[in-house]
Amino acid sequence: EDQVTQSPEALRLQEGESSSLNCSYTVSGLRGLFWYRQDPGKGPEFLFTLYSAGEEKEKERLKATLTKKESFLHITAPKPEDSATYLCAVEETSGSRLTFGEGTQLTVNP
Amino acid sequence: IAGITQAPTSQILAAGRRMTLRCTQDMRHNAMYWYRQDLGLGLRLIHYSNTAGTTGKGEVPDGYSVSRANTDDFPLTLASAVPSQTSVYFCASSLDWNTGELFFGEGSRLTVL
Repeated sequence: EDQVTQSPEALRLQEGESSSLNCSYTVSGLRGLFWYRQDPGKGPEFLFTLYSAGEEKEKERLKATLTKKESFLHITAPKPEDSATYLCAVEETSGSRLTFGEGTQLTVNP
Repeated sequence: IAGITQAPTSQILAAGRRMTLRCTQDMRHNAMYWYRQDLGLGLRLIHYSNTAGTTGKGEVPDGYSVSRANTDDFPLTLASAVPSQTSVYFCASSLDWNTGELFFGEGSRLTVL
C-alpha cells in the first residue's frame, strides 16, 4: 500500500526565513510526485510534478526536488502570502490513483 | 471563468436523509474525481470517472454513489447519510486519467447530525 508522510505537520517562519518541507513516500514504483498548495476554505491548487530522482522544478520562491525516497519543497525568503497548507501526492506506476499526504501547514509571519 | 463549480457550498443534513452534491466542470476534462478531506486523514478518494459513461471506486466508496452521464457533470449521492460522512468534499478533474495534475473545486462542507 502506498504511503505518503509529510513533515513537519506545522511550520512557523518569519518573513525571509528560508526552510524546507519534507514528503517521504513508499511505493512499489513511482510514476510521479505532485505538490499542491491549499489555502483555508479552498480546494488544493497544483504546483509541481516530479517524475524522476534528481529532477527539480521552480516557481517563484518555491523549489521542489526529488530523490528515490522523498521530496523536498524549499521555500526561499518566504512572504506572508506563502502561508498555506502544502500537500504532496504520489502516483504509482501501476496507474493507481493519487495518494495524498496530510500536508504541512506553513505560516509566515511578517 | 473556466473551472469546477460545486454546490452546495455547505449543508447541514439529518441522518438518514438523501443528499446529492453537484459538480460541474467547463474545461472539457475527461477524468473527474470526488475526494473527502478530514482532519488527520488527508484527502481520500471516494469515486472517480476516467471518461463519460464510466465510473470506478476509490479508497472509501461505501455509502456513496456517482454517475457520469456527460463530460461536464459528476454528482455524488449519499443515499442515507450517517454522521461519519460529515466532511469537506472536493470535486476535481484532470485532462486525462493518467495525470496527477488535478483541478479542484472550492469544496462542499457537509454536516450530518
